[in-house]
Order: sequence, then structure tokens, then C-alpha cells
Amino acid sequence: DAKTTQPPSMDCAEGRAANLPCNHSTISGNEYVYWYRQIHSQGPQYIIHGLKNNETNEMASLIITEDRKSSTLILPHATLRDTAVYYCIVVAAGNKLTFGGGTRVLVKP
Amino acid sequence: GAVVSQHPSWVICKSGTSVKIECRSLDFQATTMFWYRQFPKQSLMLMATSNEGSKATYEQGVEKDKFLINHASLTLSTLTVTSAHPEDSSFYICSARDRPGLVYNEQFFGPGTRLTVL
Repeated sequence: DAKTTQPPSMDCAEGRAANLPCNHSTISGNEYVYWYRQIHSQGPQYIIHGLKNNETNEMASLIITEDRKSSTLILPHATLRDTAVYYCIVVAAGNKLTFGGGTRVLVKP
Repeated sequence: GAVVSQHPSWVICKSGTSVKIECRSLDFQATTMFWYRQFPKQSLMLMATSNEGSKATYEQGVEKDKFLINHASLTLSTLTVTSAHPEDSSFYICSARDRPGLVYNEQFFGPGTRLTVL
């Protein structure tokens, strides 16, 4: 499965949109982009996933570039409860999820 | 969404004893379950994959005789840490998948079990 690169940390202001980048330049055509997050001392929580098209759900939006080599997770209105480590994972259907370093997001009042 | 539970949520044991951690899928049948380990300030590391009714597949460097995995039913998998030592102290997290992943690959994670070995 393709490797991903994320910034190790970022701060964002409460109430503002948080844009979390992820690079996956070696992604293959059959690989999906998944986003999970892990709040301190809890299990990871699924956020969203996509293949080619942009996706939106009640938690976030996922923007995938046309060449699929990078993506951005958007939390539209960050709250203090969104403070967590966010993991971008690229994986083919049926394969296991492996976690990289993720981005530690701190939402500040 | 699908719910995965773990029991216990935390456990403290003496060095040399064995500890069993349960992972249950509460509202779906988990054909595949995964066990991860997470040390402080580190990412999750996959330990093994288990399919119901068959032997677990361990990742490289994970001792299968030390970390015994049983997936006897479609809703329960257990991880037994045998002869635990302080270096086994960690956060153990299971996840479950309810379909063979033909289309996509959503895994549902449990809340984790914190093991402390004295």
C-alpha cells in the first residue's frame, strides 16, 4: 500500500475550518484514501474515505486532487473536541490498515 | 455505526502472569479482526490479523507464542499476553471488519485496553 506523508502537528482556531494535508504520490489506481482520528487514550475513529471524487459527510469533507497524489481533510468548524491525532491512510480494498505518524491537531479557543 | 467493545479497559498485572483481552463486535459479524499495539507518543502498530475459525497471521517481529490470538466466533476475538513483562506494557487496540473488503475497507475500532505490567 502507498506511503503517506503528513505534517507532524498543526494548530487551528476554534470555529474556523481546519485543513489537514496528506501526500500520497505513489498511490495506485485501486487504493482508497482513508482518514481516521484518535483522541487521546481512545481507539481510532473513522472519519471519511474516498477513491477519486471529493466526499462529504457529517464530520468532514475530503478533497482529492485530480492526479490523486494528495488530499486534504477539511473539518468545517473545528471544536475543542476535534483535538486529536489525524491519520491519512492509503490502502487497497481488502487490505489491512497500517498507521503512519499522523498529524497532531490542537484546536485552540 | 458498528460498535466494537474491549474488556477490560485497563489491567495491571505482575510480571510473569498471563493476561487475556477480549474484543467483541456488538452489532455485526466480524469476519476479520485485527490487533494493534500502541506505545506512548507512538502510532498504532499492527500485531496480527485473525479470521474467524482460522489461525492468526502475525506481523514480522511479533512473537506468536507470546501473543496468543483466538477468533473462535464471528463476534469475539481474544488476545492473551503470556508471561507478561514490563516491556509488554502498552495500549492494545482491536478492530473488526464486517465484510471481506470487496469494495472498501472500513475497520471499526475498539476503545483499547491499557496493560501495565509491574
